Amino acid sequence: NAGVTQTPKFRVLKTGQSMTLLCAQDMNHEYMYWYRQDPGMGLRLIHYSVGEGTTAKGEVPDGYNVSRLKKQNFLLGLESAAPSQTSVYFCASSSASGIQYFGAGTRLSVL
Amino acid sequence: AQSVSQHNHHVILSEAASLELGCNYSYGGTVNLFWYVQYPGQHLQLLLKYFSGDPLVKGIKGFEAEFIKSKFSFNLRKPSVQWSDTAEYFCAVNPTSGTYKYIFGTGTRLKVLA
Repeated sequence: NAGVTQTPKFRVLKTGQSMTLLCAQDMNHEYMYWYRQDPGMGLRLIHYSVGEGTTAKGEVPDGYNVSRLKKQNFLLGLESAAPSQTSVYFCASSSASGIQYFGAGTRLSVL
Repeated sequence: AQSVSQHNHHVILSEAASLELGCNYSYGGTVNLFWYVQYPGQHLQLLLKYFSGDPLVKGIKGFEAEFIKSKFSFNLRKPSVQWSDTAEYFCAVNPTSGTYKYIFGTGTRLKVLA
């Protein structure tokens, strides 16, 4: 079972470039999340979605946009990357059970 | 603001030592509580959870946690750690009052010496 799949796994961007991170889940989960993980700061919620076509801001949404056009996919976009967005990005999904299932992460460096 | 505190940022233990990692949260309502573990190079996975009922919950690999409502705490314990427990451990809280957001602690890096 694939579970939660994130692409790409690694990416290097120059300041000002844009990119989209893709998260796909095959568990028919309603809820999906994007987090960033930084040393000493744990996981911080960027945006989340409680269903197809809906999105909401998390703790650190600035500089990011998201879309949930299909239930199984949750896209995270960086319109103009900044060095402060260098981080490891994790996608997660959950059902009403409340247990989150995480992807393997995307390591992003912005130069 | 809601927050989760993990006071131990780095813990180093020898094999067979006992482990207790602290987790405190600030939220006055009902919560679901989780411990997730991230082994080196891997993604986060659920270690154990508390939703309701017996405040002492058991998870995988011999871990357990106790929910003490009066102290807003959900400490993780293991009587005897193994080298393979080397990982980063995250406490997480999900308020049950209509929000689907999860709040994570900053994590505790555990290193177990063989």
